[in-house]
Amino acid sequence: DIQLTQSPSFLSASVGDRVTITCRASQGISYLAWYQQKPGKAPKLLIYAASTLQSGVPSRFSGSGSGTEFTLTISSLQPEDFATYHCQQLNSYPFTFGPGTKVDVK
Amino acid sequence: QVQLQESGPGLVKPSETLSLTCTVSGGSISNYYWSWIRQPPGKQLEWIGYIYSTGTTNYNPSLESRLTISVDTSKNQFSLRLSSVTAADTAIYYCARAVYAGASGWRGFDFWGQGTLVTVSS
Repeated sequence: DIQLTQSPSFLSASVGDRVTITCRASQGISYLAWYQQKPGKAPKLLIYAASTLQSGVPSRFSGSGSGTEFTLTISSLQPEDFATYHCQQLNSYPFTFGPGTKVDVK
Repeated sequence: QVQLQESGPGLVKPSETLSLTCTVSGGSISNYYWSWIRQPPGKQLEWIGYIYSTGTTNYNPSLESRLTISVDTSKNQFSLRLSSVTAADTAIYYCARAVYAGASGWRGFDFWGQGTLVTVSS
């Protein structure tokens, strides 16, 4: 199985901050997705294929990377962005998720 | 707008079979891949498996020996059966639509149900 790690695990930030989350894969992949999950809610797809913004997702979210290292960036954190963010690899079976990064209020 | 809704018992006894159904509304179940994902309390998401509308399946090897996913296109539903459950199967179970873009690969899960908590306990 392809293992995913995320850093940091927790991140304290303020509204307006630029936030970057890293996802590392145990082997090279091409198909990586990012999700946002709020407490008690299902995950929401933000980005697929590492850098393509899902329809309806604000442009302050962006994704980049290739191979084994990928990043999710929020250019200017908004109040509704405090949540947990998960990466997922869809390169090979079984699909796997990262452990998540929780972004909370500083 | 596609909507998904999980249904099934919230409490299952150890060694019994967990059964859940996902009802898809606002769109057809045909020509898409449909998946189950679970999240134990406080832990990370785990992909369980998927089924295509024609019945083709792919399961997580960690669960494959206990798992059956089926589809009923006439009812726009797909289902999960997980046998011989233990406390380790306690989790929020989500159903979701998986998007496959052919040569462009998998795009992820774009529509999700709200999730249903299943507790395994006697």
